[in-house]
Amino acid sequence: GESVGLHLPTLSVQEGDNSIINCAYSNSASDYFIWYKQESGKGPQFIIDIRSNMDKRQGQRVTVLLNKTVKHLSLQIAATQPGDSAVYFCAENPGYSGNTPLVFGKGTRLSVIA
Amino acid sequence: DTEVTQTPKHLVMGMTNKKSLKCEQHMGHRAMYWYKQKAKKPPELMFVYSYEKLSINESVPSRFSPECPNSSLLNLHLHALQPEDSALYLCASSQERGNYGYTFGSGTRLTVV
Repeated sequence: GESVGLHLPTLSVQEGDNSIINCAYSNSASDYFIWYKQESGKGPQFIIDIRSNMDKRQGQRVTVLLNKTVKHLSLQIAATQPGDSAVYFCAENPGYSGNTPLVFGKGTRLSVIA
Repeated sequence: DTEVTQTPKHLVMGMTNKKSLKCEQHMGHRAMYWYKQKAKKPPELMFVYSYEKLSINESVPSRFSPECPNSSLLNLHLHALQPEDSALYLCASSQERGNYGYTFGSGTRLTVV
């Protein structure tokens, strides 16, 4: 299940199940979104991106969905594996000229139960 | 080469010390960034360089001084830091400013004592 408390929101899933990590953004002008995975002691690693003219994009085992109406972004991981355990951040480019730097969301910790 | 390399990986420094963090990329990226990350928090932007010129300083205290000697290198000079400056310092680069993904280094874990 998912819990939100004083620390990072955590999503716990069984190995082999699908994971869905959600992100809400506030700036309706944002036109570019990225999901990053950060493992302990490492920098964020690019997973997948999507531009605002799309509502879905698929990669290897991952799918990003964008709902601009409700300003919501999700990352779906198929057949979750122990190596997927990490903190996942969504990041947005707040748009306008495209020259604004990425802004990161709060992050969600994904724990995979073997 | 598709990496951003940061050195050192770990650094412990006293409040009166002067030290530098280094970042290097050979992907031909023309935008480079410094982010600061505290535990259980997202990365927070500090500085942006575009074509070796400082384009954004997010109101960072002057005890942090960035430098971009050339298109492949980015430094962060540290002087008279405070214990609350202890954090993971991340360098990133992108093809240019704009809608491009950032490639991050593994960071420097800084502890100020």
